[in-house]
Amino acid sequence: AQSVTQLGSHVSVSEGALVLLRCNYSSSVPPYLFWYVQYPNQGLQLLLKYTSAATLVKGINGFEAEFKKSETSFHLTKPSAHMSDAAEYFCAVSVANQAGTALIFGKGTTLSVSS
Amino acid sequence: DAGITQSPRHKVTETGTPVTLRCHQTENHRYMYWYRQDPGHGLRLIHYSYGVKDTDKGEVSDGYSVSRSKTEDFLLTLESATSSQTSVYFCAISDPGRYTSNTGELFFGEGSRLTVL
Repeated sequence: AQSVTQLGSHVSVSEGALVLLRCNYSSSVPPYLFWYVQYPNQGLQLLLKYTSAATLVKGINGFEAEFKKSETSFHLTKPSAHMSDAAEYFCAVSVANQAGTALIFGKGTTLSVSS
Repeated sequence: DAGITQSPRHKVTETGTPVTLRCHQTENHRYMYWYRQDPGHGLRLIHYSYGVKDTDKGEVSDGYSVSRSKTEDFLLTLESATSSQTSVYFCAISDPGRYTSNTGELFFGEGSRLTVL
């Protein structure tokens, strides 16, 4: 069964520092992987997705993630944090069912950015 | 904008009362989903639908039922609400028409916050 594990429920960085949010997946088939962001009191917004094309995926707001099959990882990075990046981030893997597909989410990582 | 509207956005109810949450979409998408979000659990799939009157259970379906009598509406019902169902509920759709294959990317509504006292 597919699953994702997000390492670290809270990550704190200083403004301008590197952001690294970790996600490991488990899947018996080649996965589709996603990162979503959720700002307070809002729904989830897609940051980026891996769908078996390029292993380095660029998303919105300067974020990127690299798919590493050997490490079963899909870590999210941003070279320089901004205050506006403070939010909750979710990694997800796509699973097949009668609905075509659904997403299985990790438990989330809250990113705090200090000035 | 994926054209998803959830109602009500906020609701407080008492244990044992029935509650129905509505998800309305304007883009004629086939697939619709209900998730619940709880601290420390991320988002968990409750039920999903792959067409009118075609629904199935997700990971945490106990205590919930769904109905889809029209393409545009997907209803989530708590027959007898319990305090453990206090949560934020998100509706989602997939394949907004811009893609030729279903990669599983979901588009979410703004959420419905339910408090069961």
